[in-house]
Amino acid sequence: AQSVAQPEDQVNVAEGNPLTVKCTYSVSGNPYLFWYVQYPNRGLQFLLKYITGDNLVKGSYGFEAEFNKSQTSFHLKKPSALVSDSALYFCAVRAPEGNQGGKLIFGQGTELSVKP
Amino acid sequence: DGGITQSPKYLFRKEGQNVTLSCEQNLNHDAMYWYRQDPGQGLRLIYYSQIVNDFQKGDIAEGYSVSREKKESFPLTVTSAQKNPTAFYLCASSSYNTEAFFGQGTRLTVV
Repeated sequence: AQSVAQPEDQVNVAEGNPLTVKCTYSVSGNPYLFWYVQYPNRGLQFLLKYITGDNLVKGSYGFEAEFNKSQTSFHLKKPSALVSDSALYFCAVRAPEGNQGGKLIFGQGTELSVKP
Repeated sequence: DGGITQSPKYLFRKEGQNVTLSCEQNLNHDAMYWYRQDPGQGLRLIYYSQIVNDFQKGDIAEGYSVSREKKESFPLTVTSAQKNPTAFYLCASSSYNTEAFFGQGTRLTVV
């Protein structure tokens, strides 16, 4: 079955330090992987995606993520965190084919807190 | 402007009442989705549709119904069979190999 796991409910970092938000997935076939950010009482904003090609994907606001097929992971990273990065982050996976093609599943979310 | 619009932003439901949440997109996307968000539980998929006149149940479809009569529209009805409907509901749309675009959400409260 298709699933996404974000093992950390909360990640705390100091401003200027690097940050990592972890994501692992389970899906049949080659996955489409996504990261989104959500601010309070708002919809989700797209950050970056992996469809095919280079395993290192760069996205909005200085974020990047690395697709690791052997570890079935897609961790979100940023070299230097900002206080304004504080928000709720979601990893998502979509199966590209098969009888559940198109089904878009999200992890439970990770609350990122960046302190000055 | 192109985008996805949910309405209303806030909705109040009485016990035993059906309510319908609207979701409209003008992005020409084939796929549309409905999610429920509760604190600490992330986004759970209710229903999704990949094409007009076809839709599939997600992980928590009980107590909900949808229709997809037009490409642009994917309304969600919360029926009286849904015993705990208070939540934040999010609609999204996408093309097959692109990211999903989200509406701003509808907050449903039982009164």
